[in-house]
Amino acid sequence: RKEVEQDPGPFNVPEGATVAFNCTYSNSASQSFFWYRQDCRKEPKLLMSVYSSGNEDGRFTAQLNRASQYISLLIRDSKLSDSATYLCVVNSRPGNTPLVFGKGTRLSVIA
Amino acid sequence: ETGVTQTPRHLVMGMTNKKSLKCEQHLGHNAMYWYKQSAKKPLELMFVYSLEERVENNSVPSRFSPECPNSSHLFLHLHTLQPEDSALYLCASSQDLGVVSEKLFFGSGTQLSVL
Repeated sequence: RKEVEQDPGPFNVPEGATVAFNCTYSNSASQSFFWYRQDCRKEPKLLMSVYSSGNEDGRFTAQLNRASQYISLLIRDSKLSDSATYLCVVNSRPGNTPLVFGKGTRLSVIA
Repeated sequence: ETGVTQTPRHLVMGMTNKKSLKCEQHLGHNAMYWYKQSAKKPLELMFVYSLEERVENNSVPSRFSPECPNSSHLFLHLHTLQPEDSALYLCASSQDLGVVSEKLFFGSGTQLSVL
């Protein structure tokens, strides 16, 4: 099983739609979780951290389910500018090792 | 502007050339990284430096040679590359390594094409 696995995508949704991505991780000892956004031919940028209690930032909501070892990202009222690849990132091996990235899920919001 | 600057943005090189990628961070971070991103693959970690000391080398071929002269600068020296090395090379930094709340700040990347 891969350390971090994401929904295959691509997701093509109309403007205004609600879309959700899931990501599973294999190491139950993982301690920190993030969603990064990457636009085409650009660098990844941190979108939001994911906390145990769940957290919201405007139209974006992130959830963590430790029992099932997955995190999710919900985007409400999708905008054309939300079109990007969303990367699930996990501190999969806490300690002196860096973050592990998923392959990413591509989202296209269509007018 | 993330505070991490990479040059050049684009690079085309032949298999016999020698070139270097440069990364500079203005964030006062202690850890720096090189990642490789190929089409339809997740980011692959290549090298990690913490306080100028290399702490991880993920079985990267010796044709890639990193250098970290100080905590603000990171280089990736390239020589005798292969066409399959064509990819986006991303530099990143974080405040420290192995911290639970560790967040990465990426440079804009170098799109490398090996002919």
